[in-house]
Amino acid sequence: NAGVTQTPKFRILKIGQSMTLQCTQDMNHNYMYWYRQDPGMGLKLIYYSVGAGITDKGEVPNGYNVSRSTTEDFPLRLELAAPSQTSVYFCASSYGDSAAPSGGYTFGSGTRLTVV
Amino acid sequence: GENVEQHPSTLSVQEGDSAVIKCTYSDSASNYFPWYKQELGKGPQLIIDIRSNVGEKKDQRIAVTLNKTAKHFSLHITETQPEDSAVYFCAAHEINDMRFGAGTRLTVKP
Repeated sequence: NAGVTQTPKFRILKIGQSMTLQCTQDMNHNYMYWYRQDPGMGLKLIYYSVGAGITDKGEVPNGYNVSRSTTEDFPLRLELAAPSQTSVYFCASSYGDSAAPSGGYTFGSGTRLTVV
Repeated sequence: GENVEQHPSTLSVQEGDSAVIKCTYSDSASNYFPWYKQELGKGPQLIIDIRSNVGEKKDQRIAVTLNKTAKHFSLHITETQPEDSAVYFCAAHEINDMRFGAGTRLTVKP
């Protein structure tokens, strides 16, 4: 049981380049999330999805886009990368309704992105 | 939106001592409060959680308490071991929104 798988683990981008961070889960979770983690700042929600075909903005969505065509996959797209997007990105999934997740979130191991 | 504050930011204890990490939240609508442990180079992992209709929950050496009136909750680790060294995050969940504290770096010295 792989859980939540993120690729790549590391990436260096030049300013203005684009890339897609991949995330897939095999637990049949309906909810999926993207967070960024900056040093000493905790985790900030970028986008989330309550199911296939449905996405919504989180706390810090600017500069990012997502899609959810299947239950398993939730890619995060960075367009026109900027130094402010240097961070560690975590994908997570959960099962439950909007009131509270059942069993908490399962996180991937993260993607460390540097924009130079 | 919800605002979660976590203290202390760093905590150092001797092996065998207890460790306490405290969090406060702002939105009374929050109803679910998980705690995550993050080891170096890994994603956060759920270690214990509590729902708003419960005041205390314990799992072996780990316990969480919730005071809804004061809007604060705490993580208690007893008989700490070196493998407890990690960054710990609290979080508060309301409708489709989980907000995390900034984290506490716990170091357990052998």
